[in-house]
Amino acid sequence: DQQVKQNSPSLSVQEGRISILNCDYTNSMFDYFLWYKKYPAEGPTFLISISSIKDKNEDGRFTVFLNKSAKHLSLHIVPSQPGDSAVYFCAVGNEKLTFGTGTRLTIIP
Amino acid sequence: DSGVTQTPKHLITATGQRVTLRCSPRSGDLSVYWYQQSLDQGLQFLIQYYNGEERAKGNILERFSAQQFPDLHSELNLSSLELGDSALYFCASSPGTRGFANYGYTFGSGTRLTVV
Repeated sequence: DQQVKQNSPSLSVQEGRISILNCDYTNSMFDYFLWYKKYPAEGPTFLISISSIKDKNEDGRFTVFLNKSAKHLSLHIVPSQPGDSAVYFCAVGNEKLTFGTGTRLTIIP
Repeated sequence: DSGVTQTPKHLITATGQRVTLRCSPRSGDLSVYWYQQSLDQGLQFLIQYYNGEERAKGNILERFSAQQFPDLHSELNLSSLELGDSALYFCASSPGTRGFANYGYTFGSGTRLTVV
């Protein structure tokens, strides 16, 4: 059973445009929602998070949106930069995190 | 350097063998988590330890076991290895058992296990 789904395995975006990564989850009891970024040969690194009491959290170029009724999480990156090319994982949970399968984002210069 | 140290970085072994993966958490973190990432798959949660005690168990095979020692480092033991066990194994740590809102987990760079 996949509790967390990232339906787009890959995404290509022109440099300077907006990148939107999506994530759907099934359990309405989750309290925390996070995004991680992963470069090849490295472990995932924490990017941004949001708790269930909020619907938006912004940190510089990165904004996470939470739609609890739709059980949907999204990450917006604007403007996109070549260094943003990586695999992005969403993660949801309470005491432990369940990760999605990841979306490979490629920023085209 | 994330502060979470995993050794070895690479491991090649034969089917049927046993290996031990080691993880030293970030200084001050009491929780250790083990995840498996197979080819083109997401991160599958295996097991969590908090301050020496098992806290949560995920999709961990019976052939796999883990422990956390008094100095808080953790070891993941994989036995009777099969070709399908080839994967990246990540360790992560966090200060406690909740409160991801500001920092999430800190991951190590992983151990790549290849079973031949």
